[in-house]
Amino acid sequence: EAQVTQNPRYLITVTGKKLTVTCSQNMNHEYMSWYRQDPGLGLRQIYYSMNVEVTDKGDVPEGYKVSRKEKRNFPLILESPSPNQTSLYFCASRTGGAGGELFFGEGSRLTVL
Amino acid sequence: DAKTTQPTSMDCAEGRAANLPCNHSTISGNEYVYWYRQIHSQGPQYIIHGLKNNETNEMASLIITEDRKSSTLILPHATLRDTAVYYCIVRVGHVAGSARQLTFGSGTQLTVLP
Repeated sequence: EAQVTQNPRYLITVTGKKLTVTCSQNMNHEYMSWYRQDPGLGLRQIYYSMNVEVTDKGDVPEGYKVSRKEKRNFPLILESPSPNQTSLYFCASRTGGAGGELFFGEGSRLTVL
Repeated sequence: DAKTTQPTSMDCAEGRAANLPCNHSTISGNEYVYWYRQIHSQGPQYIIHGLKNNETNEMASLIITEDRKSSTLILPHATLRDTAVYYCIVRVGHVAGSARQLTFGSGTQLTVLP
């Protein structure tokens, strides 16, 4: 089954404790992206990757890092989480073509105390 | 990328057609109209997209006005499971321009009533 898998789905952590949210897709998609969703603000893009070893900032990259060492994986790293990074996070992927639809993961709800 | 305007919320009776409007008056000639929906806090789900012509798939129909400044998503026979937030997005279709995705905005909360 074609899917985008995120882990963990739920996480409560404390300020400053490094964490990684993993994202994996099994559709051989070139393009992957991370979003955060906050009440009243819709989905905002954090980082995206056009292909392996190619990443770029989205609209709200501050406080986040990403890497794309393999085509299927695109982890989101919070080196020193802060309470304002409490949010619902989504990973998405699509083919590299222009008209490809985005496939989203089920989301990871992160709370930073 | 062009900005979109959608009503905040709409209701629809179960079994009736749900017509969700979207204004995108500043859309460019090379920008596509995309629709996604999000049920509760699940990941958004692709519905349909189009450029100029009307489109139909197993989920919905997309009607784009001739001047392309607005569009309507039609769910022909709404069910309770169609209750969701529906997002209208316009974005450039070519590869380089589509790299950065638009902010999804607040969308329209569609509630299908029994």
